[in-house]
Amino acid sequence: GAGVSQTPSNKVTEKGKYVELRCDPISGHTALYWYRQSLGQGPEFLIYFQGTGAADDSGLPNDRFFAVRPEGSVSTLKIQRTERGDSAVYLCASSKTGTGYEQYFGPGTRLTVT
Amino acid sequence: RKEVEQDPGPFNVPEGATVAFNCTYSNSASQSFFWYRQDCRKEPKLLMSVYSSGNEDGRFTAQLNRASQYISLLIRDSKLSDSATYLCVVDTGTASKLTFGTGTRLQVTL
Repeated sequence: GAGVSQTPSNKVTEKGKYVELRCDPISGHTALYWYRQSLGQGPEFLIYFQGTGAADDSGLPNDRFFAVRPEGSVSTLKIQRTERGDSAVYLCASSKTGTGYEQYFGPGTRLTVT
Repeated sequence: RKEVEQDPGPFNVPEGATVAFNCTYSNSASQSFFWYRQDCRKEPKLLMSVYSSGNEDGRFTAQLNRASQYISLLIRDSKLSDSATYLCVVDTGTASKLTFGTGTRLQVTL
């Protein structure tokens, strides 16, 4: 079946602009996660949704970052007033439910802020 | 101290060699443990879960030592296709989020 998909695959934006990154999880997966991976580092947790609600947003670095999942399926990560330090690969993962189930990752969106 | 620590490598080994990776974690409340594999410019993929009793999947063996907060991965008879970055991953259980190490890069050569 279809895996996790993310769009766009690459995004180049200017400092100060607003960006939206989209994640389409595996059908039927109630848990959805966003991670950020910088070069030479492991993925870093940003936010976790169980259904429509954000169950844990402790990894969001500041209030420029926001994510939604209004219908419990597709999620959008929104970054306002982008900074060069936001440049990274943003990975989305989904699982059947939360704890204990394998997380399946999408291919990521490579964000470059110039 | 980082939550999950790994030797970044790279480990350069010839085909057929046995190689071992180690990882330590700081949160004694951690419940679930994994090794993920990540190829260059690709997403992480689950290689195997790690259980207290140890587990084996073909050429791969994972061990967990809760007392020492230590996880290991052993790869026997290395193949060229094993070349990748191996990420040690810990789930705190209650938080449902994964904490990743920085990864250990393996390069298997002819």
